Amino acid sequence: EDQVTQSPEALRLQEGESSSLNCSYTVSGLRGLFWYRQDPGKGPEFLFTLYSAGEEKEKERLKATLTKKESFLHITAPKPEDSATYLCAVQGQTSGSRLTFGEGTQLTVNP
Amino acid sequence: DAGVTQSPTHLIKTRGQQVTLRCSPKSGHDTVSWYQQALGQGPQFIFQYYEEEERQRGNFPDRFSGHQFPNYSSELNVNALLLGDSALYLCASSPGQGIGQYFGAGTRLSVL
Repeated sequence: EDQVTQSPEALRLQEGESSSLNCSYTVSGLRGLFWYRQDPGKGPEFLFTLYSAGEEKEKERLKATLTKKESFLHITAPKPEDSATYLCAVQGQTSGSRLTFGEGTQLTVNP
Repeated sequence: DAGVTQSPTHLIKTRGQQVTLRCSPKSGHDTVSWYQQALGQGPQFIFQYYEEEERQRGNFPDRFSGHQFPNYSSELNVNALLLGDSALYLCASSPGQGIGQYFGAGTRLSVL
């Protein structure tokens, strides 16, 4: 059974203070690892897909990296508008098309 | 290009009632998945529809059922509502049964 654990549960940063969110996973054959951003009361917004260890992707102040056991979402010089819950999900070879999500990291960036 | 659209946005029901939620996939997508997200939790997979058939199902009781129409839109039905069914119900679409899914804004269901 695929499993995803995210840490920390909540993170409070000052504007400009860089940090990283962690996503540890177990899956029998990774098809893809996904990062989503979710604002309160809204649906998850797609950020990145990573397919294999060593892969990195960037978008504005966000950079996602992948190893065989975990993924990191690095946030450089965050702004208050980066405040949201960040969700990590995996899709495994034996799980068909279903996504297995972690509980998310709630990020707050103070001005 | 419209993304994934869901209706209604909010719904209030009482215990024992039945509810139907609707989803139109992103243009070009033919696969629809449904997820339940309780407050403060990650989304949980309910089931997936492709070619008008249920292809995969998560750990949800038979009270949860669905349908996919020829235009790829989908419905989620929940019978005999329980207080614990209160959640944000998310629809996600993808092209075929491939990698990655795009989500709608969700339907917030409150069961009183």
